[in-house]
Order: sequence, then structure tokens, then C-alpha cells
Amino acid sequence: AQKITQTQPGMFVQEKEAVTLDCTYDTSDPSYGLFWYKQPSSGEMIFLIYQGSYDQQNATEGRYSLNFQKARKSANLVISASQLGDSAMYFCAMTGAGSYQLTFGKGTKLSVIP
Amino acid sequence: DVKVTQSSRYLVKRTGEKVFLECVQDMDHENMFWYRQDPGLGLRLIYFSYDVKMKEKGDIPEGYSVSREKKERFSLILESASTNQTSMYLCASGTPGQGTDTQYFGPGTRLTVL
Repeated sequence: AQKITQTQPGMFVQEKEAVTLDCTYDTSDPSYGLFWYKQPSSGEMIFLIYQGSYDQQNATEGRYSLNFQKARKSANLVISASQLGDSAMYFCAMTGAGSYQLTFGKGTKLSVIP
Repeated sequence: DVKVTQSSRYLVKRTGEKVFLECVQDMDHENMFWYRQDPGLGLRLIYFSYDVKMKEKGDIPEGYSVSREKKERFSLILESASTNQTSMYLCASGTPGQGTDTQYFGPGTRLTVL
């Protein structure tokens, strides 16, 4: 079974600063995918970034980067230059080999302060 | 851009009613999913479909059924709505084997059962 743990229920960050959202995972699959999603108060789940377990480089998408440490089973999301529009819930999720199902963490609520 | 649409953003139904939630995607994805999201419980998979007329149970299929007659459309059916089915329902679609297995979500339907 797969498990995602997000230990930070809530985070505050000053506008224009960087912030790291923590995610650890547990799986016995040798091949898996790691994802981050953003959910604003409107409710839509927005895909941000993906990291494959065999990818050598950390994934980046604009202001988002994924700090992948395989030995530690961590996949932290780094948001650079925070904006007010970044205030939302952030979910870490994963899929395993041969499984279509996404396993989600409980989420972290990020609040960006002007 | 991937587009996943859901028939309603908000829905209010009475106990015992039959409820249909519709989801349409325009990216020719093989896989489609229905999740429900509840505070404190996170996102839980109800059903998914990997092809037309094919379906698989997720973690919480009881009280629900699904239909996929066309590739782009995946319906979630509450045969006899109950108050404990009041929730946020999220549809997603994706294509396996393209290196990411990323799931793209619709805007969600907030269902209230009175």
C-alpha cells in the first residue's frame, strides 16, 4: 500500500519569499510517480508538477520545483517568489506501478501574506 | 489545454433521489476517475474507468455506480441519495503510459443531500 504524509496543516509565507511544502511517501513499488496539486477555495484541483521515480533531475515548472530525495522518500514542493494567488490548499499525491489510482496526502493550507 | 468539465458546480437533492453527475473530457484520455473529498478524510477514489464500458471499484464504491458509454463521458450515479453522500465530487481524466500518468481534474460538484 502507498502512503503520503504531509505534516504541515498550515503555512504562512510573506509575499515574494520562497516557501517549501513538505511531503514524504511510502511505497514498495520500484516505479512510481509523484505529483503536486493546488486547490484554491473555488475547489478545482490544479496539476502543478510531476516527478518520476527514475528521473535523475528534479522537476521544475516555472516558479514550482520539486525537491526529490529518493533515499529519504521525500518530495517537497518549493514555490519561489510567492504571490497572493498562491494562497490555497496544496496536495502531494502518488501513483504506483501498474496502478491508475492517485493516493493523496491530507494537504497543506498555504497563506501568502502581503 | 486539457479540459475536464462537470455538469454542475452546486447541486441540492433530497434523500432517496437518484442523482447523476456528469463529467466530460476533451483530450481523448483513456482513464477517467470519480473522487469525493471530505474535510479530514482527503480525496477518496469511488470508481474509475480505463476504457469505454469498463469500470473498476475504488476505495469507497458503496452507494454509487458509474457509466461510460462514450470515451469522453463518465457519469457517477447515486442510486438513492443519502445525507452521508453530501460531499465535493471531483472528476479526473488521464492517459497512462505517456511518462506521467497525470490526472487532470474538473472544477468539482458540491452536492448537498437534504
